[in-house]
Amino acid sequence: AQSVTQPDIHITVSEGASLELRCNYSYGATPYLFWYVQSPGQGLQLLLKYFSGDTLVQGIKGFEAEFKRSQSSFNLRKPSVHWSDAAEYFCAVGARQAGTALIFGKGTTLSVSS
Amino acid sequence: EPEVTQTPSHQVTQMGQEVILRCVPISNHLYFYWYRQILGQKVEFLVSFYNNEISEKSEIFDDQFSVERPDGSNFTLKIRSTKLEDSAMYFCATKREPYNEQFFGPGTRLTVL
Repeated sequence: AQSVTQPDIHITVSEGASLELRCNYSYGATPYLFWYVQSPGQGLQLLLKYFSGDTLVQGIKGFEAEFKRSQSSFNLRKPSVHWSDAAEYFCAVGARQAGTALIFGKGTTLSVSS
Repeated sequence: EPEVTQTPSHQVTQMGQEVILRCVPISNHLYFYWYRQILGQKVEFLVSFYNNEISEKSEIFDDQFSVERPDGSNFTLKIRSTKLEDSAMYFCATKREPYNEQFFGPGTRLTVL
């Protein structure tokens, strides 16, 4: 079955510290991979995406993610977290076909302490 | 930068009533989606729509739900007879091929009393 697992429900990081949010997927074919961020009461904003090519992708707000095919993972990282990064983060996978839906993980809530 | 817009931002309705949620896609996008997010849970796919017909739908998308693009611009989700469990945030998303990146609207919060 196709699925996305985000093992960490809630993470607290000190401001200025590094961050890694984990994402593992189970998918029948090589997927497209995405990270979205959702601030309270807001919609989903795309942080970054992986379609093909370089497995280390850069996104907005200083985030990056690395696709590791052997581990079926697409972990999100940021070297230095800012208080404004506190939000919910969703990993999602999609097929390389037109019209198919995204499958989302359950999300990881990031809290930033001062 | 073009955006997906959704109206209303918040809808309160009585159980059993019909609601229509509206989405205005980015103008050159061809694929349209509805997702929902029950409070505190993950985002779930409802339905995808292309070339004026449903491409794919989930088991959530039962006979109470319908979608259409009535005027070539708006993309609507209708719930015929709302239930308490339909209370959720409903997101519209659109994309333009060949790029498989979906752009999400800000959502409509539906509250069924």
